[in-house]
Amino acid sequence: GENVEQHPSTLSVQEGDSAVIKCTYSDSASNYFPWYKQELGKRPQLIIDIRSNVGEKKDQRIAVTLNKTAKHFSLHITETQPEDSAVYFCAASIEGGTDKLIFGTGTRLQVFP
Amino acid sequence: DTEVTQTPKHLVMGMTNKKSLKCEQHMGHRAMYWYKQKAKKPPELMFVYSYEKLSINESVPSRFSPECPNSSLLNLHLHALQPEDSALYLCASSQDSSGGAGTQYFGPGTRLLVL
Repeated sequence: GENVEQHPSTLSVQEGDSAVIKCTYSDSASNYFPWYKQELGKRPQLIIDIRSNVGEKKDQRIAVTLNKTAKHFSLHITETQPEDSAVYFCAASIEGGTDKLIFGTGTRLQVFP
Repeated sequence: DTEVTQTPKHLVMGMTNKKSLKCEQHMGHRAMYWYKQKAKKPPELMFVYSYEKLSINESVPSRFSPECPNSSLLNLHLHALQPEDSALYLCASSQDSSGGAGTQYFGPGTRLLVL
């Protein structure tokens, strides 16, 4: 079955710097890759997603890139702010396949003022 | 309405109690999910209902019993739980007419403590 690895497990950056979180997946049939942000005590919230028919997607300060050949995808946050501090989870699934969303292990991002 | 709601927010129960968690969505989504999340871990899939039928059971112990009364509601019945079942229980829903997990939207969760 699918396996998603996520690195790093923790990431500390200065406010205004960029942050990059990387994930790799094992099942080449996976074609949908969402990213969730979870603040302490809150629900996971979808922040951006990408499908395998595109290589990059941007939404203001957040971008996701996908390399299907290497089977990895990355989250890029530019101009980080303290409110970006949270745990970020990547995930992978097969649209048109099963209803399973396979999560990475999570990255705790801390943005220091 | 673009939210998934869950009740109760917090629940404390003894190992002999019976309780239920409730989840509701009014987005017309065709799939609903139960996840268990331990501290500092990703959500762990428990059950999936697709068009009100149980489609995935991730080998969850029988002390957890899901129920989908209609397309908007999802329950999780709890009985004879163990202290290690203490966790955040998340409900999610998704709408993908082509099948597959699609974009899942999570509820706020029920924080369960088993004494």
